[in-house]
Amino acid sequence: DQQVKQNSPSLSVQEGRISILNCDYTNSMFDYFLWYKKYPAEGPTFLISISSIKDKNEDGRFTVFLNKSAKHLSLHIVPSQPGDSAVYFCAASGGATNKLIFGTGTLLAVQP
Amino acid sequence: DTAVSQTPKYLVTQMGNDKSIKCEQNLGHDTMYWYKQDSKKFLKIMFSYNNKELIINETVPNRFSPKSPDKAHLNLHINSLELGDSAVYFCASSQPIPFHTDTQYFGPGTRLTVL
Repeated sequence: DQQVKQNSPSLSVQEGRISILNCDYTNSMFDYFLWYKKYPAEGPTFLISISSIKDKNEDGRFTVFLNKSAKHLSLHIVPSQPGDSAVYFCAASGGATNKLIFGTGTLLAVQP
Repeated sequence: DTAVSQTPKYLVTQMGNDKSIKCEQNLGHDTMYWYKQDSKKFLKIMFSYNNKELIINETVPNRFSPKSPDKAHLNLHINSLELGDSAVYFCASSQPIPFHTDTQYFGPGTRLTVL
């Protein structure tokens, strides 16, 4: 029962263009959402987060959008850079514990 | 000045052996976690400790036993290793729950291979 889904296993984008990574969730109790970036042979690195009381959070080139009615969030990276090439994980949490539920990841390849 | 560190980075061992993975964080966090990333790349939580007390145990076999000697360390002991235990194990830490930041910081991972 995959509560957090990333339906695109991979995405290829040209340098300078926008990358849009999508994530869907099923549990309406989730109230905090995060994006992590992971390079090979390294641990996930926190990128950006959003609380369910907001619908947008921006940090430099990264913006996360939350659509609670659709149970959907997305990560926009603009402009995309070759160094952004990595696996991006969406994660969600809610309730009394800090348990994070992760999606399966999307491999982003930014072509020079 | 690594925030969350794990040792060893790679661990190759025979079925039936007992092994340990160590984790340390210098972020001053009270809560630490162990995650398993299997061959299908699913990242799933195994355990969580808050200030040395177990708060999450995700139906992990009792061959896996976390031990937290202090709030900066959370070690993972695995007894009677099985082939299916082969995975990458990640340690993480976060701020105390009352802050509810839910932002977890991960170590570099330990790739365990059971032969």
